Amino acid sequence: RKEVEQDPGPFNVPEGATVAFNCTYSNSASQSFFWYRQDCRKEPKLLMSVYSSGNEDGRFTAQLNRASQYISLLIRDSKLSDSATYLCVVNMGYQLIWGAGTKLIIKP
Amino acid sequence: DARVTQTPRDKVTEMGQEVTMRCQPILGHNTVFWYRQTMMQGLELLAYFRNRAPLDDSGMPKDRFSAEMPDATLATLKIQPSEPRDSAVYFCASALGQMNTEAFFGQGTRLTVV
Repeated sequence: RKEVEQDPGPFNVPEGATVAFNCTYSNSASQSFFWYRQDCRKEPKLLMSVYSSGNEDGRFTAQLNRASQYISLLIRDSKLSDSATYLCVVNMGYQLIWGAGTKLIIKP
Repeated sequence: DARVTQTPRDKVTEMGQEVTMRCQPILGHNTVFWYRQTMMQGLELLAYFRNRAPLDDSGMPKDRFSAEMPDATLATLKIQPSEPRDSAVYFCASALGQMNTEAFFGQGTRLTVV
């Protein structure tokens, strides 16, 4: 079992819809969590950190469920520009563990 | 606008040749990562440094790969000899402090070994 797992997708979603991704992690000692976004043929960039109480940034909401060992990302009112691969990252303390990413395609 | 700079952006080389990739981390960042990304494997950590000291290079094939930080403004990743299976995008990233801070990525070096 991989340490961090994501559904690779692709998720094909109509513009304006709400879409949610989950990411599961295997190590209960994981300390912090992030969502990165990677556009095609570009480098990953931080989208948002994930806090224990959950956090929101505009149309994006991130949540952490330590009991079930997953984090989620919710995108509301999706835009064409949200098309990208979303990478889940888990900080184990000694290194960052990256998920393989979930590809999202927003269709007009 | 502070950014991580990687050179070259693209490299095509023949099998058996030496390849050197360079990275200039953001000034003041004391943690530097080298990653490799392929369609099949996703993002793999090859090595990382803190304060120029290598902390973890367990993800790197030791027989052909080497990573160094000659000074705080330069990190290098060398492959000798290169093989077709090394074809990938190699990213350098830097961060300030511990693992729970944002990692800033360079634009990557796209390596093709033929």
